[in-house]
Amino acid sequence: DAGVTQSPTHLIKTRGQQVTLRCSPKSGHDTVSWYQQALGQGPQFIFQYYEEEERQRGNFPDRFSGHQFPNYSSELNVNALLLGDSALYLCASSLGGWSRGNYGYTFGSGTRLTVV
Amino acid sequence: GNSVTQMEGPVTLSEEAFLTINCTYTATGYPSLFWYVQYPGEGLQLLLKATKADDKGSNKGFEATYRKETTSFHLEKGSVQVSDSAVYFCALRGGQNFVFGPGTRLSVLP
Repeated sequence: DAGVTQSPTHLIKTRGQQVTLRCSPKSGHDTVSWYQQALGQGPQFIFQYYEEEERQRGNFPDRFSGHQFPNYSSELNVNALLLGDSALYLCASSLGGWSRGNYGYTFGSGTRLTVV
Repeated sequence: GNSVTQMEGPVTLSEEAFLTINCTYTATGYPSLFWYVQYPGEGLQLLLKATKADDKGSNKGFEATYRKETTSFHLEKGSVQVSDSAVYFCALRGGQNFVFGPGTRLSVLP
């Protein structure tokens, strides 16, 4: 049973560029949440997608956007990259979304983004 | 808002030593509490959790007790191994998503 799958595992982008990160949830899960983990810090919540809509959002600018597809997979897009966007981006999947308790919360291994 | 504070690392111990990593939290309501572990180059793995006051979570020799009166959830292990070297994150879930502490790096020497 595949867990949460994220791609790519690493990438390097130039300041000002745009990037798209991808996440496939664990089998049976329908909710995807995204976190940013800067070096030496704990993960911070970016947003959550359920039923193809953004349901909750943390304290991140509009440069961070996302999408959820009918098969429950998700993308995180970051525009106008800044050096400070360099981080490990973690995806987590769960079942039921905010209204039904987010059961079975499972994290992926992350995408390491370096902005130069 | 909700927040989590952890003891600063790094923590360096000899194999078979006793481990304590302190964690305190601030939250409205009655959050669930968690310890996650992150090995080098990997994502987060759930280590243990507790969902209400006085609950004790345990796994792989690690334990933590939900103390509402002191708003704490300290992680303990009686005898650490080299393979326990990792970063440990205390976290709470009061709404539907997690608030993490900054992490504590543990190094266990043979």
